Formats: sequence, structure tokens, C-alpha cells
Amino acid sequence: KAGVTQTPRYLIKTRGQQVTLSCSPISGHRSVSWYQQTPGQGLQFLFEYFSETQRNKGNFPGRFSGRQFSNSRSEMNVSTLELGDSALYLCASSFHRYYEQYFGPGTRLTVT
Amino acid sequence: AQSVSQHNHHVILSEAASLELGCNYSYGGTVNLFWYVQYPGQHLQLLLKYFSGDPLVKGIKGFEAEFIKSKFSFNLRKPSVQWSDTAEYFCAVRKLSFGAGTTVTVRA
Repeated sequence: KAGVTQTPRYLIKTRGQQVTLSCSPISGHRSVSWYQQTPGQGLQFLFEYFSETQRNKGNFPGRFSGRQFSNSRSEMNVSTLELGDSALYLCASSFHRYYEQYFGPGTRLTVT
Repeated sequence: AQSVSQHNHHVILSEAASLELGCNYSYGGTVNLFWYVQYPGQHLQLLLKYFSGDPLVKGIKGFEAEFIKSKFSFNLRKPSVQWSDTAEYFCAVRKLSFGAGTTVTVRA
């Protein structure tokens, strides 16, 4: 089976712009979660989607949003980018909500 | 609110030394506990998990962890580390809370 794929892998944006990141889960996995990883902060949970519905949301401002499509693919959007949004954004999928997760390689976002 | 605390930020060991990484969590409900590892240049991957049953769980590459409910702990251990165990290790409660990570450097 192919692993979790994320596109693009690298992205450079300017403050105030918006960005959309994409995640394709492992085939058959219906749960997709997103995380922000920064040095010293570890992984901060953004949100979780299961069957096209957001099931949990982390403590991030409304500028961060996401969605899941019927094929379980997911996107996350960050509007009005700030310098502090520079991070590695990880997507993870699991067969069921409470099972172990499989992580993608991440999208490295740099905001200048 | 749930949280996960990893005691050590950076651990440096020599090959063949024993490793123990501490993890404490605060969460009132049913816990699904995980240790993930991120080797240099690779994706995060599952090391081991605990859902229920025997509190001593074994994972890949000789790692094990012990769930102690009374101490809200899920410490990771390996009796004898190798250079290839150099990585960052993350403890997690369900998918909502991850620890800040512990960087382990094993010197040959």
C-alpha cells in the first residue's frame, strides 16, 4: 500500500497570503488528522476529520481550517499567513479514529 | 485539558547503554497511549501502543513500554541501544496530545 502523501512538500509564502495543503491518506483509512510541528513545541494538534466531518479541533485560531472529501483526501487552509505559521505541517491517517496513525512526510511552510 | 509531559529534552548515550524515556500524561478518560519515533530524514512512525490489557507492551526494534495507571505514566525502555536508535521520540495520548519530544543521540 502506498503511504500517506502530502503536497506540496515545500512552500514559501508571504505574510498575508493564504495557503492550501493537501493530504492523501492510506487507501481504506477514513480518519485524517493534521499537526503543526515546530522545534521545541513538538506536535500541536490542529484538527481531525472522519467521514468528511470534523471530529476534533485543536487550539488554533480560525485562520486554520480544513476539510475532508468523500474519498478521504483532506486539505487544510491557512488564511492571512503570519511569520509564526512557519512550520512543518504533518498529516496522519488511521483506519479508525482510535487506532495508531501513519504519518506523511509533511509540508514545510516558510512564511516571509 | 489533556497534556503529555516528556521528562527529557535531549539524552546522549553510548552504544549498549540502557535507555529509559519518561512520559506522564493528564487525561481523565480511556487512554490510548503511543510512542512514535522519527529517525533523521524519515517520517514519524509507530514504535508501540497500549490500549488495554498487559501494561507491559513490546514494540519494534527491541523497545518496550510500561503503563502505570496510578502514576499516569507510560515510560519507554530499551535494554541496549544501538547507534541506529538515534532519533526523536514522541509520547502521545490518543491523537490529540503529543509530548514535546526527546532527542536521543547514541554515540558509537
